[in-house]
Amino acid sequence: AQSVAQPEDQVNVAEGNPLTVKCTYSVSGNPYLFWYVQYPNRGLQFLLKYITGDNLVKGSYGFEAEFNKSQTSFHLKKPSALVSDSALYFCAVRGNNFNKFYFGSGTKLNVKP
Amino acid sequence: IAGITQAPTSQILAAGRRMTLRCTQDMRHNAMYWYRQDLGLGLRLIHYSNTAGTTGKGEVPDGYSVSRANTDDFPLTLASAVPSQTSVYFCASSDQAGELFFGEGSRLTVL
Repeated sequence: AQSVAQPEDQVNVAEGNPLTVKCTYSVSGNPYLFWYVQYPNRGLQFLLKYITGDNLVKGSYGFEAEFNKSQTSFHLKKPSALVSDSALYFCAVRGNNFNKFYFGSGTKLNVKP
Repeated sequence: IAGITQAPTSQILAAGRRMTLRCTQDMRHNAMYWYRQDLGLGLRLIHYSNTAGTTGKGEVPDGYSVSRANTDDFPLTLASAVPSQTSVYFCASSDQAGELFFGEGSRLTVL
């Protein structure tokens, strides 16, 4: 069965500091992994994805994520957080059914000035 | 660029009433989805459609039905709404690269 876990409901960081939002997954076969961001009262927006290739994936707004096969993790990172990064972040995995996506429960990121 | 359009944006509904949430895309994507978002539970897949004329059940399909008569439209129907269906509903489509595109959501309250 496919599943995604985001162990932190909330992450608090100070502006300018690095941030990490954690994600672990379980999937049969090769994983297709995604990060999405949701601002208040809005739909989800695509940030980045890993399908194959380099384990470090770069995405929108300066975010990046590192795929670690041995730890089945896909943590989202940013070297220097901005207040405007405050939002809800979702990790997702695409399952064996090519078009089925499974989402984690979300992590609220709070970046304080 | 419209992308995914959902309607209504918000609705209050009496229990037992029938309700259809509309979803239209202009990107010609084959795959479309309906998710519900509840606090602490993330997004859960209700129904999906890989292509026009086909539909499939997701994680939480009970109480919901969908149809896919053409590529662009993917309505979600609650035949007889119950309070546990109070949620925010998101329609999405995906392209060949596997990226999901979401609508802005429909907030449904069932009293």
